[in-house]
Amino acid sequence: QSVLTQPPSVSAAPGQKVTISCSGSSSNIGNNYVSWCQQLPGTAPKLLIYDNNKRPSGIPDRFSGSKSGTSATLGITGLQTGDEADYYCGTWDSSLNSWVFGGGTKLTVL
Amino acid sequence: EVQLVESGGGLIQPGGSLRLSCAASGFTVSGNYMSWVRQAPGKGLEWVSIIYTGGSTYYADSVKGRFTISRDNSKNTLYLQMNSLRAEDTAIYYCARGTYYYHLPNYFDYWGQGTLVTVSS
Repeated sequence: QSVLTQPPSVSAAPGQKVTISCSGSSSNIGNNYVSWCQQLPGTAPKLLIYDNNKRPSGIPDRFSGSKSGTSATLGITGLQTGDEADYYCGTWDSSLNSWVFGGGTKLTVL
Repeated sequence: EVQLVESGGGLIQPGGSLRLSCAASGFTVSGNYMSWVRQAPGKGLEWVSIIYTGGSTYYADSVKGRFTISRDNSKNTLYLQMNSLRAEDTAIYYCARGTYYYHLPNYFDYWGQGTLVTVSS
């Protein structure tokens, strides 16, 4: 059972938009920045979004992040088959003194 | 260019010990928060441990008392000493470079390719 809750899977057609939610509490998302990483099949995770809504250099603006209260959301527009991957949210939990990840969401582009 | 290269994984019997290494280049491990994250086969990411620039260390409850994170500044290398290994420690172990905000870990911006640890008799 992960401290951060994500849907196990989402799917959408190419060109469409999808959102992935990440729900936590005041000890983690509510008081710390959220980041998102993308893990393509068979590869290491890669930073996608940091500080709730900032994109590292090289990440297209089709990817966006937002945070409200104790929840965060990753948005992906203009879906491509190359976006099929697992997506994880993460943040520091100040009560646990631990980094916490969501359980991960598998994106399928139909 | 920032690079992280893990090594030291392999097949180990339950109860055994193993030391993982993560050689860094393009930055200094001592100047960054460094972490280990693992992923069991077919499962999600699980944070394992972190070492702050000042040397403070934190561990997941699942490994506390069995694993030790450390670094060698002269070799610019991060380590994870794993003792009393269990079958449930079987996973790919990634090292990651972290950033911080007001002394708290903020995000992981670079990841290594991982090293596989298999605990089995």
